[in-house]
Amino acid sequence: AQSVTQLGSHVSVSEGALVLLRCNYSSSVPPYLFWYVQYPNQGLQLLLKYTTGATLVKGINGFEAEFKKSETSFHLTKPSAHMSDAAEYFCAVTLLGKLQFGAGTQVVVTP
Amino acid sequence: EAGVAQSPRYKIIEKRQSVAFWCNPISGHATLYWYQQILGQGPKLLIQFQNNGVVDDSQLPKDRFSAERLKGVDSTLKIQPAKLEDSAVYLCASSPSSGRGNTEAFFGQGTRLTVV
Repeated sequence: AQSVTQLGSHVSVSEGALVLLRCNYSSSVPPYLFWYVQYPNQGLQLLLKYTTGATLVKGINGFEAEFKKSETSFHLTKPSAHMSDAAEYFCAVTLLGKLQFGAGTQVVVTP
Repeated sequence: EAGVAQSPRYKIIEKRQSVAFWCNPISGHATLYWYQQILGQGPKLLIQFQNNGVVDDSQLPKDRFSAERLKGVDSTLKIQPAKLEDSAVYLCASSPSSGRGNTEAFFGQGTRLTVV
């Protein structure tokens, strides 16, 4: 069963425009949720995480995500895209101690 | 603080050959993961260690893949014999977590394996 679903394998945004990457999870218990970014030929780097507490989480590079239990979602946003945001983004969830990833969304930023 | 170290960075082998990858996690991290990332897909967990014990290896093709974590520190992932579909990036990650999974995983740069 798919634990993490990312909607859209590719997203193209204009520089300065809103970035919105969608992530939904399936879990009967509150999960721990993460967003990672991967630049070409690099490992994964943590952008932000939700474990407990405030449902709006702020991360590095101006990204933020909101945990919505009723929608089982953890969408990632950034108000204004920068050329350096071009990368692949992965939503991940920890269930029963196992860290599992979605299929990823490739972000292209156009001038 | 040194990050997760992996070697080699790149490896090209012929099918049916064997190959081994090495990972040195961040000092003190109890949890170590090996992931397989096929081009265009998200990382797939192959095996997870907690100290030197295996927590999960349900997606490890045990007929050809093996992994060990020596003394709860370094880890080696081996493929024998390799198949064409094993071409992927193999990522090692470590985490200071106690196993509940609420702490982030730190990733190495990966080993890109090409099987020809």
